[in-house]
Amino acid sequence: SQTIHQWPATLVQPVGSPLSLECTVEGTSNPNLYWYRQAAGRGLQLLFYSVGIGQISSEVPQNLSASRPQDRQFILSSKKLLLSDSGFYLCAWSPVLTQGVNTEAFFGQGTRLTVV
Amino acid sequence: GDSVTQMEGPVTLSEEAFLTINCTYTATGYPSLFWYVQYPGEGLQLLLKATKADDKGSNKGFEATYRKETTSFHLEKGSVQVSDSAVYFCALLISGGSYIPTFGRGTSLIVHP
Repeated sequence: SQTIHQWPATLVQPVGSPLSLECTVEGTSNPNLYWYRQAAGRGLQLLFYSVGIGQISSEVPQNLSASRPQDRQFILSSKKLLLSDSGFYLCAWSPVLTQGVNTEAFFGQGTRLTVV
Repeated sequence: GDSVTQMEGPVTLSEEAFLTINCTYTATGYPSLFWYVQYPGEGLQLLLKATKADDKGSNKGFEATYRKETTSFHLEKGSVQVSDSAVYFCALLISGGSYIPTFGRGTSLIVHP
């Protein structure tokens, strides 16, 4: 069966420090991968998505970047964190069943990031 | 473009009450519809789904019916429990279209004993 791992679960970082959040998926190949952010009491904001190794699309220009160095690994990074980067970050994946057919996304447990 | 509209929360109920959370959508193609649940401090879990008109998704006592004529996918449960307290997200995905799901803003449910 497929599983998604996201870490760390919680993180407290000072303003101006770097960030690296990692997400890996097991039990599948060539998944679509996503990074979302959820501010307190708010809905989901899509940050990045990827349909393959090295293919990253950004939805919102900001202080963050994403990379996909391996098929099932998705990394969210920042060189210098801002206070406004605080939030709950969620990684997700979805399979492509056959060409052009997509199905539901599956989420990791999330990372609570507090920038102080 | 595609969009999902959910009723504003929070929805506050007493235990064993009947639950309805409204969800309507607009879609450029033929969507699959989903309900996700998010418990405090956790990620989203798929609760149920329906992939074509008149399909009923069900899980853990929750149900939702894909109504193409009203473009709706309302979530219902006959008797809620305190453990159902969570945030519920309605979502759609166009089969054969974009692989990016469209989410509603979420509806918080609070169930009191």
